Amino acid sequence: AQKVTQAQTEISVVEKEDVTLDCVYETRDTTYYLFWYKQPPSGELVFLIRRNSFDEQNEISGRYSWNFQKSTSSFNFTITASQVVDSAVYFCALSGSSNTGKLIFGQGTTLQVKP
Amino acid sequence: NAGVTQTPKFQVLKTGQSMTLQCAQDMNHEYMSWYRQDPGMGLRLIHYSVGAGITDQGEVPNGYNVSRSTTEDFPLRLLSAAPSQTSVYFCASSYRASGGAYEQYFGPGTRLTVT
Repeated sequence: AQKVTQAQTEISVVEKEDVTLDCVYETRDTTYYLFWYKQPPSGELVFLIRRNSFDEQNEISGRYSWNFQKSTSSFNFTITASQVVDSAVYFCALSGSSNTGKLIFGQGTTLQVKP
Repeated sequence: NAGVTQTPKFQVLKTGQSMTLQCAQDMNHEYMSWYRQDPGMGLRLIHYSVGAGITDQGEVPNGYNVSRSTTEDFPLRLLSAAPSQTSVYFCASSYRASGGAYEQYFGPGTRLTVT
């Protein structure tokens, strides 16, 4: 069975603080894909990143960075110097090698960035 | 391209009523799917389709029907609405990109309340 766990339900930080959102996954597939999505208060789902299981390189995009560790089945997301606009619900998701486009989502982490 | 469109954006139903949530995509994607989002539970797959005429159940299919007569459209039918179906519904379309992962495109969502 496949599963994604985001243990942090809610996180509150003050602007300019760094924050890390945790994601732990379970899968028996040897090839799989991991995703992060952002859901701002307006409600739409915004794609942030996709990572293949065979590529463990960490990635940085501006203030965002992702740490993928197969050894611990984790795909954590860090926001550096957080801003109020980062306030949103963040979802981690997983799809297997034969997923035909199906995503398994974590429960989501609500991030509140206070000015 | 309009991408993935969903109608209506909001809907209030009474218990026992039936209705159809519409979803259309103009990207010629083979795969389409329906998810529901409930607080604290992330998004869960209801039904999906790998092409016109082919549908299958996801994680939470009970109380919903789908059909896929064309590549573009994937309507979701609530047969007899129940309060437990109060949720936000997302439609998605996807295609298999280079590297094997599926690129998912989500619609804006339909917020359904069943009283």
